[in-house]
Amino acid sequence: KAGVTQTPRYLIKTRGQQVTLSCSPISGHRSVSWYQQTPGQGLQFLFEYFSETQRNKGNFPGRFSGRQFSNSRSEMNVSTLELGDSALYLCASSLDTGQETQYFGPGTRLLVL
Amino acid sequence: GESVGLHLPTLSVQEGDNSIINCAYSNSASDYFIWYKQESGKGPQFIIDIRSNMDKRQGQRVTVLLNKTVKHLSLQIAATQPGDSAVYFCAETAYGNNRLAFGKGNQVVVIP
Repeated sequence: KAGVTQTPRYLIKTRGQQVTLSCSPISGHRSVSWYQQTPGQGLQFLFEYFSETQRNKGNFPGRFSGRQFSNSRSEMNVSTLELGDSALYLCASSLDTGQETQYFGPGTRLLVL
Repeated sequence: GESVGLHLPTLSVQEGDNSIINCAYSNSASDYFIWYKQESGKGPQFIIDIRSNMDKRQGQRVTVLLNKTVKHLSLQIAATQPGDSAVYFCAETAYGNNRLAFGKGNQVVVIP
């Protein structure tokens, strides 16, 4: 079974721009969660999607948003980029049948200049 | 790992020795705990998990211990190998909740 895939792997943007990141979960997984990883703050939960609905949300500003499609693929969007948004963005998927083991993708490295 | 950098605790261990990585969790309502390993340039990789109704769980070369009284979690790696060099994170959540809260991470360096 293929693992979680994320595209693109690397991205460079400038302040004020917006960006869309994509995540394809493991086949059969219905829950997709997004995390931001920085050296200073570590791994922080952004949001979770299940059945095309946002089920859980972390403490990030409204500039961070996401969505999930009927095939469980998910996208996250960051608008009006700030320098502090530079980070590794990780996507994780899980079956959500009572098991919470989340499997992570390789991440998208975003650099905001 | 991606969290290498500022003030990351580092454990240096000789190849073949056992490693112990500790984690203090914060939320007494958490009842599901996971250890992840992150190698440089990769996403976190699941190692082992434990639910709060257990105090010990063993996997292949790894053991997780949970002490709910003091809110402490540990990961033991037997016969540490060079491939075990990575950053290790503990994560906690409540069962049925996919929102993971991660610890800051511990860097393990295996000396050949």
